[in-house]
Amino acid sequence: ILNVEQSPQSLHVQEGDSTNFTCSFPSSNFYALHWYRWETAKSPEALFVMTLNGDEKKKGRISATLNTKEGYSYLYIKGSQPEDSATYLCAFPPYNQGGKLIFGQGTELSVKP
Amino acid sequence: EAEVAQSPRYKITEKSQAVAFWCDPISGHATLYWYRQILGQGPELLVQFQDESVVDDSQLPKDRFSAERLKGVDSTLKIQPAELGDSAMYLCASSSQGFQNTEAFFGQGTRLTVV
Repeated sequence: ILNVEQSPQSLHVQEGDSTNFTCSFPSSNFYALHWYRWETAKSPEALFVMTLNGDEKKKGRISATLNTKEGYSYLYIKGSQPEDSATYLCAFPPYNQGGKLIFGQGTELSVKP
Repeated sequence: EAEVAQSPRYKITEKSQAVAFWCDPISGHATLYWYRQILGQGPELLVQFQDESVVDDSQLPKDRFSAERLKGVDSTLKIQPAELGDSAMYLCASSSQGFQNTEAFFGQGTRLTVV
């Protein structure tokens, strides 16, 4: 069974706190790992597409790491701001299945001022 | 900036009624996906098109759901008859070549409420 697990399911932090989420995925026949941010009333927006073991990517205060051998990725937000409040989704494309994405259930982040 | 367009944004319908959603992908994107996201869960693929052909509809409840992409451009997803359990967000996404190592571009979704 191809499954993506994210934790925690929800997170409430104060402005200025740093936080991180976990995404676990099948490690065999790895193609890529995607992270998306989905703000209320907007489209899900790609943050990172990661393909290499050990890869680290950064966009502003948000960064992500990837371990393809053990099947996990971490997303970090440094100094959370209220505008970071969103659902963060990770997803992977299973090997040889037409390029579709399998999503985790998401981590819902709420940042209070 | 190119966007995936979806309409309507919100739809409330009574159970047993028919409902339809429309998606216009980014120009030139051959691959189009319809996903359904039930509250508290991740998006789940309903159907995938490559141009006008269905590539994967294994999770589409075919007794009540249908999808088409007649000219390989825009697409319509229909539910008939709608059931209470169909209440969800319906997302459309497109890609030039699948998501192996390229990002997905999503529309804003259609929030369906069945009453």
